[in-house]
Amino acid sequence: EAGVAQSPRYKIIEKRQSVAFWCNPISGHATLYWYQQILGQGPKLLIQFQNNGVVDDSQLPKDRFSAERLKGVDSTLKIQPAKLEDSAVYLCASSATAGGVGEQYFGPGTRLTVT
Amino acid sequence: AQSVTQPDIHITVSEGASLELRCNYSYGATPYLFWYVQSPGQGLQLLLKYFSGDTLVQGIKGFEAEFKRSQSSFNLRKPSVHWSDAAEYFCAVDSNSGYALNFGKGTSLLVTP
Repeated sequence: EAGVAQSPRYKIIEKRQSVAFWCNPISGHATLYWYQQILGQGPKLLIQFQNNGVVDDSQLPKDRFSAERLKGVDSTLKIQPAKLEDSAVYLCASSATAGGVGEQYFGPGTRLTVT
Repeated sequence: AQSVTQPDIHITVSEGASLELRCNYSYGATPYLFWYVQSPGQGLQLLLKYFSGDTLVQGIKGFEAEFKRSQSSFNLRKPSVHWSDAAEYFCAVDSNSGYALNFGKGTSLLVTP
């Protein structure tokens, strides 16, 4: 079974530029999560999708971050414009069910550096 | 407020020695509890989880964890550490709300020869 795929693995941009990350979850997984992991900290949820609907985006900085999950499969996370403090690893995870009852499987992450 | 605390930022142990990583949580009810491991450049891998029942849970790679309700703790243990165990370890909690995990800040494990 293929795992969660993410691309790109690394990205370096200048502040005020835009960037997009892509995630392909495990086939059949209804729930998809985007986490932000700043160096030295644990992952923090940005947004949670159930199929193609948003369950929780309370911690997503909506003035600059956006995410979509068209057709309930792949997802894209966008930052526009980027700030220095957005430098982090962006992790995508998926689970068969919502919440912790269903194990979350994580992708390798995209490391973003904003200069 | 709900929170997860991992008091130790860094831990160094000798190969073959025993290991205990601490995790404390603050939730109103008994949550679902998890330990994840993250190797450099890798995503997070689930080591073990506790939902209910036996408070001592066994995981992969020889790890175990014990849930202690009275201490609001879920400490991770391994009797004999291998050099390949060097990684970042995260405790996480799900408040059974159907929402995502709440992670601690992590403990970095260094294994010396």
